[in-house]
Amino acid sequence: DIQVTQSPSSLSASVGDRVTITCRASQTISNFLSWYQQRPGKPPNLLIYAVSTLQNGVPSRFSGAGSGTEFTLTISGVQPDDFATYFCQQTYTVPRTFGQGTKLEI
Amino acid sequence: QVQLVQSVSELKKPGASVKVSCKASGYTFISYAINWVRQAPGQGLEWMGWIEPNTGNPRYAPAFTGRYVLSLDTSVSTAFLQINDLRTDDTAVYYCARVGVGTRLGIDLWGQGTLITVSS
Repeated sequence: DIQVTQSPSSLSASVGDRVTITCRASQTISNFLSWYQQRPGKPPNLLIYAVSTLQNGVPSRFSGAGSGTEFTLTISGVQPDDFATYFCQQTYTVPRTFGQGTKLEI
Repeated sequence: QVQLVQSVSELKKPGASVKVSCKASGYTFISYAINWVRQAPGQGLEWMGWIEPNTGNPRYAPAFTGRYVLSLDTSVSTAFLQINDLRTDDTAVYYCARVGVGTRLGIDLWGQGTLITVSS
């Protein structure tokens, strides 16, 4: 199975900051990586798929990059609504493993 | 309206079974696999497995073989997760979620989640 290691587990930021979250896969997953945002008590919400394609309605301050085994999610100009937990998921093969999550805190 | 609606939360005793339902509406049911994802309290997301409505074949993550059963009733566009011989560490929110059959895209639609609490 492909393991996905996400870092950091938590991140402190202020409104307007630029933050980056990293996911590393244990083997190449080409460009099959997605990112989700989850707020407390709610299901996750798809932000980005195929490494860098924004889901409809997602603000352009979110961006994704990477290939092979290393990927990043960047939020350029964090907004109050962005304080949440973020997960990556490899969609290359089954089981479709998630990263451990990153909690973005004020 | 495109949505997945899950059954309500349940409290179960250890050793019992539970069956969670996930009813799809607003889209072509057989075009999307239904994933099941577990989230224990305060923890991350665990991909449990999926089932493809066009074939009815389930796939399970290694940690979710044996006591977990995925099934479908395509006549009512509903997927099910059954957990047998419940343990206290099965206490979690269980989400159903869809992904296009044969695609490698992300999960674009989630159910609201069903909390299963296992306690004596």
